[in-house]
Amino acid sequence: AQSVTQPDIHITVSEGASLELRCNYSYGATPYLFWYVQSPGQGLQLLLKYFSGDTLVQGIKGFEAEFKRSQSSFNLRKPSVHWSDAAEYFCAVGALLRGAQKLVFGQGTRLTINP
Amino acid sequence: KAGVTQTPRYLIKTRGQQVTLSCSPISGHRSVSWYQQTPGQGLQFLFEYFSETQRNKGNFPGRFSGRQFSNSRSEMNVSTLELGDSALYLCASSLGGLTSGTSYEQYFGPGTRLTVT
Repeated sequence: AQSVTQPDIHITVSEGASLELRCNYSYGATPYLFWYVQSPGQGLQLLLKYFSGDTLVQGIKGFEAEFKRSQSSFNLRKPSVHWSDAAEYFCAVGALLRGAQKLVFGQGTRLTINP
Repeated sequence: KAGVTQTPRYLIKTRGQQVTLSCSPISGHRSVSWYQQTPGQGLQFLFEYFSETQRNKGNFPGRFSGRQFSNSRSEMNVSTLELGDSALYLCASSLGGLTSGTSYEQYFGPGTRLTVT
């Protein structure tokens, strides 16, 4: 069955430091991969996506992610975090289930920024 | 293009009552998915509608139901509310209908915060 694992429930980094959030997926076919961000009490905003081609994808707000098929991973990175990046981050894989498209989400990683 | 809108944004209901939440998708999007988000259970998939038909359903009791109209707007209904139904209910829309990556790309509304007392 399709699944997404985000091993880190909570990460704390200092402002200006680099960031890497981990995501591992399980899916038999070529995956469609997504990262979303959610600020408290808000909906999810799409940060970036991978469908095919270049395995390093750029997103909004200075984020990037790298698809590594051999490791079944799609880790999110940012070279220098800002206090406004504090939020919850969700990785998701697009799966075809009973003929319908569905997004399977990880449990999320909460990011705290130290000033 | 206008984003996904959800109404109302906040609701307070009493146990045993019923509630209807509304979602208007992005223009041109034919698929609407509903999620329940709570601190304990995280983001859980409720159901998905495409062209007025329910295509996918999560593991929720029959008290949770939905429908989609011909203009792709969707409603979600919860009957006989329980305290545990207190949550942020999120609606997301996507193109649907195709097998390309774009069809999986979901855009979320701001959510409806439901409190059951």
